[in-house]
Amino acid sequence: AQTVTQSQPEMSVQEAETVTLSCTYDTSESDYYLFWYKQPPSRQMILVIRQEAYKQQNATENRFSVNFQKAAKSFSLKISDSQLGDAAMYFCAYVAYSGGGADGLTFGKGTHLIIQP
Amino acid sequence: GAVVSQHPSRVICKSGTSVKIECRSLDFQATTMFWYRQFPKQSLMLMATSNEGSKATYEQGVEKDKFLINHASLTLSTLTVTSAHPEDSSFYICSARLGFGAFFGQGTRLTVV
Repeated sequence: AQTVTQSQPEMSVQEAETVTLSCTYDTSESDYYLFWYKQPPSRQMILVIRQEAYKQQNATENRFSVNFQKAAKSFSLKISDSQLGDAAMYFCAYVAYSGGGADGLTFGKGTHLIIQP
Repeated sequence: GAVVSQHPSRVICKSGTSVKIECRSLDFQATTMFWYRQFPKQSLMLMATSNEGSKATYEQGVEKDKFLINHASLTLSTLTVTSAHPEDSSFYICSARLGFGAFFGQGTRLTVV
């Protein structure tokens, strides 16, 4: 069974600085998708960024980028120029491609990101 | 992006009663929807997979008779918590897949008193 591990329960960063959130996963699949979701106090799950495992190029969305290391099964999220609105829980998630859309996501335990003004 | 709407956002019910939560895909058809449960300060745990026109698939440890799932159309899945008890109080979130994306409803905070 696949597992997703986020080893940082909480991270704190100064506003405008850069922070990296860690995520590792375990799978025997070769094709899969990885996600980072943000959950603010409203608890709405917001997609931050996603990566297809077959793509070597790291995904980027404005201030958010990932460092995807397939061999190491690592998928870290870098937030540049941190803003107060980035404060939230961040969840790393995995789903295998083989499910064809029929599989739910497997989530890590989350990292609580605090932005210091 | 695709929109998934979940209602109600909050519900308080008396112990022993049943509560129905609706999950709708507003701008796409979803043959499969997912129901998650989230306890305070914890992650999302998959409860069950809802399949349009067929029986839901439940994760190990989830009581089928407690959490009834119906997926009667391509845009609507419902979760009914039957004979609710205080330990069923939690945050329930639905999700639907579109392509390789996963879109989430707003969640329902259930409080059983």
